[in-house]
Amino acid sequence: QVQLVESGGGVVQPGRSLRLSCAASGFTFSGYGMYWVRQAPGKGLEWLTYISNDGSDKYYADSVKGRFTISRDNSKNTLYLQMNRLRAEDTAVYYCAKDSFYCNNGICHKWLDPWGQGTLVTVSS
Amino acid sequence: EIVMTQSPATLSVSPGGRATLSCRTSQSVSNNLAWYQQKAGQAPRVLIYGASTRAPGIPGRFTGSGSGTEFTLTISSLQSEDFAVYYCQQYNNWPPWTFGQGTRVEIK
Repeated sequence: QVQLVESGGGVVQPGRSLRLSCAASGFTFSGYGMYWVRQAPGKGLEWLTYISNDGSDKYYADSVKGRFTISRDNSKNTLYLQMNRLRAEDTAVYYCAKDSFYCNNGICHKWLDPWGQGTLVTVSS
Repeated sequence: EIVMTQSPATLSVSPGGRATLSCRTSQSVSNNLAWYQQKAGQAPRVLIYGASTRAPGIPGRFTGSGSGTEFTLTISSLQSEDFAVYYCQQYNNWPPWTFGQGTRVEIK
């Protein structure tokens, strides 16, 4: 079955860096775009970044643009999120998610499914 | 950026009752809208895409409707496992992909 497993979270001081990983299995990883979404404690979901299946297209939320970098290694079936210059407000559970889609007669629907279990990043001195 | 507004923030419903959740978008997203369920301590999972198409394995008591700027998720005959937080998300105009702030469905 499709499975996504995040790792790399932890406690980090403000201004420092952290790299998250998302190991994918159960599907052809190189055929799908991937997302990172985060959820601050007690808050809602915030989309952060997206990468296309071959890595050629990347998009970022304004809140992380210039600080976070998404990448992937299709040979290792792994997605990454490099987080630099971390701030207290980056404290959250970070989820990776697979791009799922259905197209019919030229109309395509996209959604995030499945999601990994999440990894907690705490930015604190 | 398309802003998503969900209401109410919290909905109290008795087991076996019916829940009606609303999602409004700041501009038309056609039917390019998904609904997710998030149980406490778990990752979200998709319920509905295309505003009204149930994802595989989702029970028939979950019904999505609407188009344009107004959408509804109806949960009929609430089961104990349905008490959770529900989010809508648009994928019509991206980036960014945007989520509503969520509606918590709690036991009355």
